[in-house]
Amino acid sequence: DAKTTQPPSMDCAEGRAANLPCNHSTISGNEYVYWYRQIHSQGPQYIIHGLKNNETNEMASLIITEDRKSSTLILPHATLRDTAVYYCIVRSHTSGTYKYIFGTGTRLKVLA
Amino acid sequence: ETGVTQTPRHLVMGMTNKKSLKCEQHLGHNAMYWYKQSAKKPLELMFVYNFKEQTENNSVPSRFSPECPNSSHLFLHLHTLQPEDSALYLCASSQVSGSPYNEQFFGPGTRLTVL
Repeated sequence: DAKTTQPPSMDCAEGRAANLPCNHSTISGNEYVYWYRQIHSQGPQYIIHGLKNNETNEMASLIITEDRKSSTLILPHATLRDTAVYYCIVRSHTSGTYKYIFGTGTRLKVLA
Repeated sequence: ETGVTQTPRHLVMGMTNKKSLKCEQHLGHNAMYWYKQSAKKPLELMFVYNFKEQTENNSVPSRFSPECPNSSHLFLHLHTLQPEDSALYLCASSQVSGSPYNEQFFGPGTRLTVL
């Protein structure tokens, strides 16, 4: 089972910041949080990942709470092309293999 | 373009057919993955290969048979499938799956319909 919970859907006005929350209350100390997005029927696209510090790249920022039980993905200026399903994933380590367990994600709709 | 290609993009097959899905990565990665995405369900990991060796089989039925001849190519051989196997099949690659920085790069997927 996925170790994350996300709201099923969100709307955001074009040009505004989109803040996508994720709860991962059972995360272990060495487990990373990854974010991906999937635009309709395409393969998921990597966005960002982090362990405990906040991270920023050209696509987004990732804010992880101090207790690491939740995080927020921030798209600073959402565009219509950011409409997608966003997945928050805790990468688990079992039997010597790191793997993702995808949940149902948040369907973000950016409105003109 | 992510550097991971999949062919065919669409496939329709009968339950008695045998077909194969192909994945190729041009990223120099050593780990490759097959995922299944059924309608309105999360992505499900099927198989993991590290350096051509299978390291994960997520209780996948034997009618799905993976093959990894080298680190750049991954196949999924299909036979006697059921209509409920209709789904989007996604291939991904990454650095060795034990690396702390192993973001996965996904291909566009093969949309499979089983009649």
